[in-house]
Amino acid sequence: GAGVSQSPSNKVTEKGKDVELRCDPISGHTALYWYRQSLGQGLEFLIYFQGNSAPDKSGLPSDRFSAERTGGSVSTLTIQRTQQEDSAVYLCASSLARPMNTEAFFGQGTRLTVV
Amino acid sequence: QQQVKQSPQSLIVQKGGISIINCAYENTAFDYFPWYQQFPGKGPALLIAIRPDVSEKKEGRFTISFNKSAKQFSLHIMDSQPGDSATYFCAASKGLISGGYNKLIFGAGTRLAVHP
Repeated sequence: GAGVSQSPSNKVTEKGKDVELRCDPISGHTALYWYRQSLGQGLEFLIYFQGNSAPDKSGLPSDRFSAERTGGSVSTLTIQRTQQEDSAVYLCASSLARPMNTEAFFGQGTRLTVV
Repeated sequence: QQQVKQSPQSLIVQKGGISIINCAYENTAFDYFPWYQQFPGKGPALLIAIRPDVSEKKEGRFTISFNKSAKQFSLHIMDSQPGDSATYFCAASKGLISGGYNKLIFGAGTRLAVHP
């Protein structure tokens, strides 16, 4: 594809419901990241996938958050029992593996609103 | 733990002026320092990046200045234009030189407004 694609672009959910956010990285990119951007805030690292290596989950804020990457391509970020503080824009990015390129290309994000 | 500190939080500059955004980092293992530009409703996009073996990098109106001893780097936008109005994020990662993966740690962002 032309770029990183995220879906849905907007999601409104009720507190306590589970949500799934999808990311389609750029074809051939082996590295995939999830970041969270709260209103007016910076980008908070959540999780990183690189090829077949174990993912770096060090940024996940709680055990309600999980992510998987199937077949080394599409990734899904799942938030269980959503809380109002989970409201944010969730950004996905992908990049080629070192040493070819280190630029991370971002999708437009999924705006999650928990009501 | 805030590994990359960015200032100012917001900046207003007149058209034609110089915009300066500063970042400081803590981890001396960082070896890649990009700046990302984000317009409303869009994801961040790479603007310019620098490695610690150079003190300055210029691309058009955008310049990164890097001070390794002070663990600081800054973005200068010369001849600022209204179209430059956006949020700018500095970032840092390690492993570019030593190997490993490039998890980007971002600063909090600077909202730049360039007035005509």
